[in-house]
Amino acid sequence: RKEVEQDPGPFNVPEGATVAFNCTYSNSASQSFFWYRQDCRKEPKLLMSVYSSGNEDGRFTAQLNRASQYISLLIRDSKLSDSATYLCVVNPSGYGGSQGNLIFGKGTKLSVKP
Amino acid sequence: DADVTQTPRNRITKTGKRIMLECSQTKGHDRMYWYRQDPGLGLRLIYYSFDVKDINKGEISDGYSVSRQAQAKFSLSLESAIPNQTALYFCATSDLGGDQPQHFGDGTRLSIL
Repeated sequence: RKEVEQDPGPFNVPEGATVAFNCTYSNSASQSFFWYRQDCRKEPKLLMSVYSSGNEDGRFTAQLNRASQYISLLIRDSKLSDSATYLCVVNPSGYGGSQGNLIFGKGTKLSVKP
Repeated sequence: DADVTQTPRNRITKTGKRIMLECSQTKGHDRMYWYRQDPGLGLRLIYYSFDVKDINKGEISDGYSVSRQAQAKFSLSLESAIPNQTALYFCATSDLGGDQPQHFGDGTRLSIL
């Protein structure tokens, strides 16, 4: 099983749609989780951290299911500007040492159409 | 001004040349990282540093070297560039603690002919 696995997409959705991405991780000891957004040929940018209780930031909701070892990102009322690649990111140990380097998924591409 | 600055932004060079990519940050973070990104392969860690003079190999360090002479600066060198090192290179920084995200520079697009 890959350390962090995502459906590469692309997800093609109309404006206003709700879209959900899932990500699975292999290390059950993982403690920290993030979603990043990356536009074509640009740097990854932190979208949101994912907390155990789930968290919401405007149209974006992130959830964590530790029992099944997956993370989800829900985007409501999609905008054209949401078109990007979404990277699932996991800290496999949660510690600050060398074991704590982040593991990046390969990303899920989203294309929002008018 | 960007918190994490990479230079150059683009570079085209020939096989066998020595190349240095520079990264500087104003975030005051102790940790710095170099990644490369290739289509279909995602981000791969080359080297990382948790403090000045601290250097650690990442997933794909062969053919690369780094230098961390100051907290704010982390440079990546390709001693003798080869075409399969053509990629998009990112520098990133993070604060202490396992729950800290990483913050990326704008990237350097490197082409080796």
